[in-house]
Amino acid sequence: SYELTQPPSVSVSPGQTATITCSGDAFPNQYAYWYQQKPGQAPVLLIYKDSERPSGIPERFSGSGPGTTVTLTISGVQAEDEADYYCQSADNSGSWVFGGGTKLTVL
Amino acid sequence: QVQVVQSGAEVKKPGASVKVSCKASGYTFTSYYLHWVRQAPGQGLEWMGLFNPGTGTTHYAQKFQGRVTMTRDTSTSTVYMELSSLKSEDTAVYYCAGADGGLDYWGQGTLVTVSS
Repeated sequence: SYELTQPPSVSVSPGQTATITCSGDAFPNQYAYWYQQKPGQAPVLLIYKDSERPSGIPERFSGSGPGTTVTLTISGVQAEDEADYYCQSADNSGSWVFGGGTKLTVL
Repeated sequence: QVQVVQSGAEVKKPGASVKVSCKASGYTFTSYYLHWVRQAPGQGLEWMGLFNPGTGTTHYAQKFQGRVTMTRDTSTSTVYMELSSLKSEDTAVYYCAGADGGLDYWGQGTLVTVSS
C-alpha cells in the first residue's frame, strides 16, 4: 500500500525556521496537503495543492512541491506552533493517505 | 459559516456496530465531498474513505472494505459512517471533514470506545 514518510520529531528554537519533510512514491504526480493538530483538537488545513495557503493561515507557513519529497516550512517559529503536523496525499486509485506525523517541539 | 457537527461519544462491545453522524451546515450540502478519518489514542491520522453527497457514491480505504458503510440523508444534510464487527483496535476518535481542495472543514470528532 502507498505510504508517506515523515520524520517523527523536529525541534527548533523560537524565531528559527522549522522544516518538515514528507516523501512518497506518488509525488510529484499527486498534490501534497499539510495539517496542524494540537492536543485535543481536530486537525487544521495549513497548505493545499503543494503550496497554497487557505485564508486565515499565517504567511509563516509555506509548502514546497512538486518533487519526490515535499516540505512544510515554518518561518519565525512561535511557541504556539508546537503541535503535530501531518502530510497527506492520494494514490492513483483515489485513496487518500496520511503521513505518520511529525511532532514539532519549540525549545 | 461552514459547520460540521458530529454525534456524541459511543461505547460498544466487540462484534457490535457503530453509526456516527455528521451534519453539515452553512453551505450547499452537495458541494463538498465528506471524508472520514480516525485517530487511535496517541496515534496518527488514518483515512477511512470518502462520500459524495451529491451522488451517494463512496470510495473506501482497502483496509475497511466490507466493514464500513457511508450513507446520507439529504433532507437533513447529514452523512453517516457505520463500522461493523468492532474490535478493541477500533477504539479511536472518528472525524468527518468536508473537502474543498484539502480537508478544509472538520467536525469536532466522535470518540468510539470498544470494550467488553
